[in-house]
Amino acid sequence: DAGVTQSPTHLIKTRGQQVTLRCSPISGHKSVSWYQQVLGQGPQFIFQYYEKEERGRGNFPDRFSARQFPNYSSELNVNALLLGDSALYLCASSFQAGEGKTQYFGPGTRLLVL
Amino acid sequence: AQSVTQLGSHVSVSEGALVLLRCNYSSSVPPYLFWYVQYPNQGLQLLLKYTSAATLVKGINGFEAEFKKSETSFHLTKPSAHMSDAAEYFCAVSGDPANFGNEKLTFGTGTRLTIIP
Repeated sequence: DAGVTQSPTHLIKTRGQQVTLRCSPISGHKSVSWYQQVLGQGPQFIFQYYEKEERGRGNFPDRFSARQFPNYSSELNVNALLLGDSALYLCASSFQAGEGKTQYFGPGTRLLVL
Repeated sequence: AQSVTQLGSHVSVSEGALVLLRCNYSSSVPPYLFWYVQYPNQGLQLLLKYTSAATLVKGINGFEAEFKKSETSFHLTKPSAHMSDAAEYFCAVSGDPANFGNEKLTFGTGTRLTIIP
């Protein structure tokens, strides 16, 4: 079975632009979470969606938004990009939502903001 | 709020030697604890997970971790290091009631493991 897939793999943008990152969960998984991993740090939680509803949001500005589609895939949007948004963006899926559920991570999208 | 602290941002061990990566957690409720591994330019792969079923958890690739409540620790070990173990290792915690209904993982800052031939 295919794992979590993300697109694109790499992206270069300039400050002020907008970006959309995409994630397809493992088949049958209904929960998708997004994490930001800045170089040299651990991943930071951005959002979790389950059954197309937002279940959690991390400490990120309103420039960050996300949604989940009926097929459980998800998009992360970042507006008005800043240099500090340069990071690896990881998507993770799990079969259900809730504490302790195992999350399976995709390979990530590496975003560079110039 | 929950947190994890990984002691040692870099650890070097000789091939065949014991691997010990340290993780201490802070949680007001019984936590769920995870170890993930990240190889260069890749995503995170789950090594093992503690969910209170057993204090000694065995994972993939010969790794195991022991949950010690009295020490609030969840250290990762492997008896004999292999060159392929060189990677970044992250400890993570979830289960905070403040995050009810979601599985937010709070990660440590990571430990880079280097294997010396």
